[in-house]
Amino acid sequence: TQLLEQSPQFLSIQEGENLTVYCNSSSVFSSLQWYRQEPGEGPVLLVTVVTGGEVKKLKRLTFQFGDARKDSSLHITAAQPGDTGLYLCAGRSMAGGTSYGKLTFGQGTILTVHP
Amino acid sequence: DTEVTQTPKHLVMGMTNKKSLKCEQHMGHRAMYWYKQKAKKPPELMFVYSYEKLSINESVPSRFSPECPNSSLLNLHLHALQPEDSALYLCASSQDSGDGYEQYFGPGTRLTVT
Repeated sequence: TQLLEQSPQFLSIQEGENLTVYCNSSSVFSSLQWYRQEPGEGPVLLVTVVTGGEVKKLKRLTFQFGDARKDSSLHITAAQPGDTGLYLCAGRSMAGGTSYGKLTFGQGTILTVHP
Repeated sequence: DTEVTQTPKHLVMGMTNKKSLKCEQHMGHRAMYWYKQKAKKPPELMFVYSYEKLSINESVPSRFSPECPNSSLLNLHLHALQPEDSALYLCASSQDSGDGYEQYFGPGTRLTVT
């Protein structure tokens, strides 16, 4: 079973602060996706990283895929209350057989940004 | 357009009721998924349809019955559910179920079993 360990589980910060969320595994993933979910809504895809060492930026959000494709991070600069939500990392398995194509989710990070 | 729609938004049903959840996408995706999500937890995969055929069933109880009438539609038929089945049910789709294809989620159906 491939596992994605996501940390921290909870993050409560003030507006304007920076933060980083980590996603780590002992397994290699062919790609990794980051989602943001608001209460009562479905996850919204933020970004997909595919290449080891890849860095992608989405406004104040910076996503990085580890060189070995076993870990990823999400960094938010100058957080705003609108960034509040559940952040999920999800990896695409490289294994064949019954796990092929499944998304393995991290446990999620609940971010609260206070005004 | 990366929209997946789900109906109803909310559903309350008794343990003896039969109901269905519906999901639709018009992105030409050939893989569709059902997930169950409890509060503040990640989604748990239930079923995967690939090219309208069931390809993955994650040992889901038979009181949940999926159906894929065509490439754009996915249903989840519910019968004799238990209170612990109360959750947010998410539908997702991707261009293919294979590697490298991003999954797009619908807004979910909030199910309450009384």
